[in-house]
Amino acid sequence: DSGVTQTPKHLITATGQRVTLRCSPRSGDLSVYWYQQSLDQGLQFLIQYYNGEERAKGNILERFSAQQFPDLHSELNLSSLELGDSALYFCASSVEAGTIGEKLFFGSGTQLSVL
Amino acid sequence: AQSVTQPDIHITVSEGASLELRCNYSYGATPYLFWYVQSPGQGLQLLLKYFSGDTLVQGIKGFEAEFKRSQSSFNLRKPSVHWSDAAEYFCAVDTKLSNFGNEKLTFGTGTRLTIIP
Repeated sequence: DSGVTQTPKHLITATGQRVTLRCSPRSGDLSVYWYQQSLDQGLQFLIQYYNGEERAKGNILERFSAQQFPDLHSELNLSSLELGDSALYFCASSVEAGTIGEKLFFGSGTQLSVL
Repeated sequence: AQSVTQPDIHITVSEGASLELRCNYSYGATPYLFWYVQSPGQGLQLLLKYFSGDTLVQGIKGFEAEFKRSQSSFNLRKPSVHWSDAAEYFCAVDTKLSNFGNEKLTFGTGTRLTIIP
């Protein structure tokens, strides 16, 4: 158990809908990263938050947004969903803003299916 | 731009046989390299890492990897696989994300390992 909690584990929805994925980082970790894992794109970095502030963006679509709350949990919002958004969405956390891969702890992911 | 290539999408080996998973990277500076394992329904777990020094690094679960700068490779090996090694394996390189000094992991597309009795 990495200590990173993601909910829900599975989510099934329809095209055009909006969903929210939730991530609780490890206790004491200030930084949260979101990754998308799909069959055709592999693992793609989406966005990073550090202590409530957006720190860096990766390959995140404009239809997607995220935030980190004062209690450090984070939510990833996906709107106007398309079939191609079906993927496994991972959250990872670390203590520091700048991190080397060994300090990153991953949750078990949310499997999103858009029908 | 940095990239990681795992040329083998799927590999099948017999239990007890040796294993080598290939990884090639493209990065301008000296890379920080990692191998992660993803078991079904689980998140990614770090197997091993290379930062500098000895080019042969040991990891958990009996895995090792060798950094070869001349070949831009960081192949993962295990002398004798166990049925529990069946999983997806990802190679990753740690790269600069922004002037804040943040870094991000760039992952390969993964290699699925199947173990047959």
